[in-house]
Amino acid sequence: QKEVEQNSGPLSVPEGAIASLNCTYSDRGSQSFFWYRQYSGKSPELIMFIYSNGDKEDGRFTAQLNKASQYVSLLIRDSQPSDSATYLCAVRIANSKLTFGKGITLSVRP
Amino acid sequence: SQTIHQWPATLVQPVGSPLSLECTVEGTSNPNLYWYRQAAGRGLQLLFYSVGIGQISSEVPQNLSASRPQDRQFILSSKKLLLSDSGFYLCAWSERGGRWETQYFGPGTRLLVL
Repeated sequence: QKEVEQNSGPLSVPEGAIASLNCTYSDRGSQSFFWYRQYSGKSPELIMFIYSNGDKEDGRFTAQLNKASQYVSLLIRDSQPSDSATYLCAVRIANSKLTFGKGITLSVRP
Repeated sequence: SQTIHQWPATLVQPVGSPLSLECTVEGTSNPNLYWYRQAAGRGLQLLFYSVGIGQISSEVPQNLSASRPQDRQFILSSKKLLLSDSGFYLCAWSERGGRWETQYFGPGTRLLVL
């Protein structure tokens, strides 16, 4: 059974801090990994995707992938109140559909 | 650039009534299309996906059905709604081919069944 697990939340960090969001997956055949942000009442929007071990940076966001340990994380540097949202981790096996985690809610305190 | 539309944005329907939600994609050809449901406090549940006109795969047995009458049009239907059908319905598309088929979501339809 393909499973994607995310830390139980919610996660609260002060403004300017680093927020660390973690996700583990069960299927070793997983090949690509996605992070979506979902504001309350809105649809998910893609933040980043990663497919190689290591780090991938985009502005204040860094995705980290460790296939040996089967986890993927998202770091948000210099967190802003506008980053307050639910973050969804999604995993794809080649030519297959995405499996989503249940999401973790991040709150950035001013 | 590609855009995805869904309508209606919100819908309140009585139990037992029919349902039709529509999704259209612009700016791309031959996309993969998906219907998801997000119930309160739960994750995204894939309901249907389609790789082409008339090709529908169902992920979860239920009283919903999907159709793809045109390349960039995806419709979610029900003959008789249940209370448990309430939720946030999301349509998504991806460009076919390759390992990194990124899915992009529409604005969603919020359905309340009373």
